[in-house]
Amino acid sequence: EIVMTQSPATLSVSPGDRATLSCRASQSVSSNLAWYQQKPGQAPRLLIYGASTRATGIPARFSGSGSGTEFTLTISSLQSEDFAVYYCQQYNNWPLFGGGTKVEIK
Amino acid sequence: EVQLVETGGGLIQPGGSLRLSCVVSGFTVSINYMSWVRQAPGKGLEWVSVIYSGGTTYYADSVKGRFTISRDNSKNTLYLQMNSLRAEDTAVYYCARVSGEDYYFDLWGRGTLVTVSS
Repeated sequence: EIVMTQSPATLSVSPGDRATLSCRASQSVSSNLAWYQQKPGQAPRLLIYGASTRATGIPARFSGSGSGTEFTLTISSLQSEDFAVYYCQQYNNWPLFGGGTKVEIK
Repeated sequence: EVQLVETGGGLIQPGGSLRLSCVVSGFTVSINYMSWVRQAPGKGLEWVSVIYSGGTTYYADSVKGRFTISRDNSKNTLYLQMNSLRAEDTAVYYCARVSGEDYYFDLWGRGTLVTVSS
């Protein structure tokens, strides 16, 4: 059974700084990985699929990388609207989400 | 405009039943893969069930035998029938569109809260 682990659990970042979020799979998921953003009281929003392809309408400051078991979501210059919880999800098998990383204002 | 609107949540006693609905506008439910994903209070996301365009259904082990996903093509609506509810089923339930044969979710509703408690 695959386990998806996100780190850190909480990331404190100043507006304008870069944020780097990690997602690790316990076995290879190839490039079958998506990232979502969720703000309080809202549904998740798809950011990245195929490990590195931005979804429609997602700003270029969001980028994804990695394959196999190690993945990274980078937000190049944090804007106020980017403070949220981020989830990774593998879809190499039945969908499975990581535990999330909360990006908070430093 | 694309919209997914879930209804049917509420407070239900353990062992009870509830049916959730997801009314979709802006695309056709029957030609897409559609899923339910849930989120327990303060917790992460958990995939619950999927219905394929051909009608095949699959479930997470945690709900297998208790939940049934279905759709009404004439109403462009997705359903989740939940029976034998347990406290651990307490969550916000989202309906979501699966992006083709890749199991990521490109459109989401706002969710409906189900609380299982005596």
